[in-house]
Amino acid sequence: AQKITQTQPGMFVQEKEAVTLDCTYDTSDPSYGLFWYKQPSSGEMIFLIYQGSYDQQNATEGRYSLNFQKARKSANLVISASQLGDSAMYFCAMREANAGGTSYGKLTFGQGTILTVHP
Amino acid sequence: ETGVTQSPTHLIKTRGQQVTLRCSSQSGHNTVSWYQQALGQGPQFIFQYYREEENGRGNFPPRFSGLQFPNYSSELNVNALELDDSALYLCASSSYYGYTFGSGTRLTVV
Repeated sequence: AQKITQTQPGMFVQEKEAVTLDCTYDTSDPSYGLFWYKQPSSGEMIFLIYQGSYDQQNATEGRYSLNFQKARKSANLVISASQLGDSAMYFCAMREANAGGTSYGKLTFGQGTILTVHP
Repeated sequence: ETGVTQSPTHLIKTRGQQVTLRCSSQSGHNTVSWYQQALGQGPQFIFQYYREEENGRGNFPPRFSGLQFPNYSSELNVNALELDDSALYLCASSSYYGYTFGSGTRLTVV
């Protein structure tokens, strides 16, 4: 069974500083995808960044980068130059391999990390 | 692209009642999945529909059921509501490139 672990219930960072949110995963599938989402208090799940298990390079999207260490099964999110608007819940999620190649598998989420950015 | 729209945004029901939640799919996405998110927890997978058929289900009882329509929109039905069903229900439409989530329906069972 797939599992995602986020060990930091809450993190604090000073505005303009960088912060790393931890995520470890467990799967026996050789093909998988890892996602990070941001969830503000309003509830919507906002996609931040994606890393495929066969991607050779770490993913980057603007101020977001993913520190992918496949052997350690970790996929930590790095947010550079934190902004007040970054305060939210952050979820790491994994997609299992496609079921028969005809659809897109479920996401398994971690418990989340609440990030608070201080001015 | 119009995104994913969920309705209603908030709902209060009494224990034992039935509820139907709705979700529109993003254009071009033929797969829809539903998630239940209890307060302070990560979302839990309920089930997924592909081309109008359920093709994956999480650890939820049969009183959670769903439909997907030819335009790929979807419904989640929950019968015999229990207090523990109080949660944010998220719908996501998906394609090869990823998942697009709606803003959710916040269900309160009293």
